[in-house]
Amino acid sequence: DGGITQSPKYLFRKEGQNVTLSCEQNLNHDAMYWYRQDPGQGLRLIYYSQIVNDFQKGDIAEGYSVSREKKESFPLTVTSAQKNPTAFYLCASSKVVSNQPQHFGDGTRLSIL
Amino acid sequence: LAKTTQPISMDSYEGQEVNITCSHNNIATNDYITWYQQFPSQGPRFIIQGYKTKVTNEVASLFIPADRKSSTLSLPRVSLSDTAVYYCLVGLMNRDDKIIFGKGTRLHILP
Repeated sequence: DGGITQSPKYLFRKEGQNVTLSCEQNLNHDAMYWYRQDPGQGLRLIYYSQIVNDFQKGDIAEGYSVSREKKESFPLTVTSAQKNPTAFYLCASSKVVSNQPQHFGDGTRLSIL
Repeated sequence: LAKTTQPISMDSYEGQEVNITCSHNNIATNDYITWYQQFPSQGPRFIIQGYKTKVTNEVASLFIPADRKSSTLSLPRVSLSDTAVYYCLVGLMNRDDKIIFGKGTRLHILP
């Protein structure tokens, strides 16, 4: 079955630590996205990538970094510069960045210890 | 900025038809209208997409008037399992090259 896999499902971070969230897709999609969702809120775009080795900042990129070395993978690093990282993080992909529907993973819930 | 406006929440009863309307006054010529459903602690799931008039699939219908400034998601004969948040998304890149996912509509189905 094709889809998007996010891991881990739950992640805890200590103050001052960087953590990396994994996102893998086997849908052969060119575009991939990272969103942040806070309780009772909609999704806010962190970063997106239209193609390998290219990515663009979204609305709330500060304190986050990404890489896109492979088509299948788009890891998100939450750095210590992100002062309020506790949230639900969602990864998505689509064939291209256009009107194509996005396919989402099941998310990673990040909490601060 | 192109953006959407939806009701914050709606209640309905099992077996009823539910219509959720989304306003998108600044929709661009090339924009499609896409609806997603999200359950707690899960990623959103694509429901339906349309450009104009009416689109129907096995789970929903999407009605889009000629001016395309609004759209209505119709869920026939809802059940308790349709309790979720529904998002209306217009296009994928607005004029500032950002993607806007609003707060959605919280639909609560009562027995």
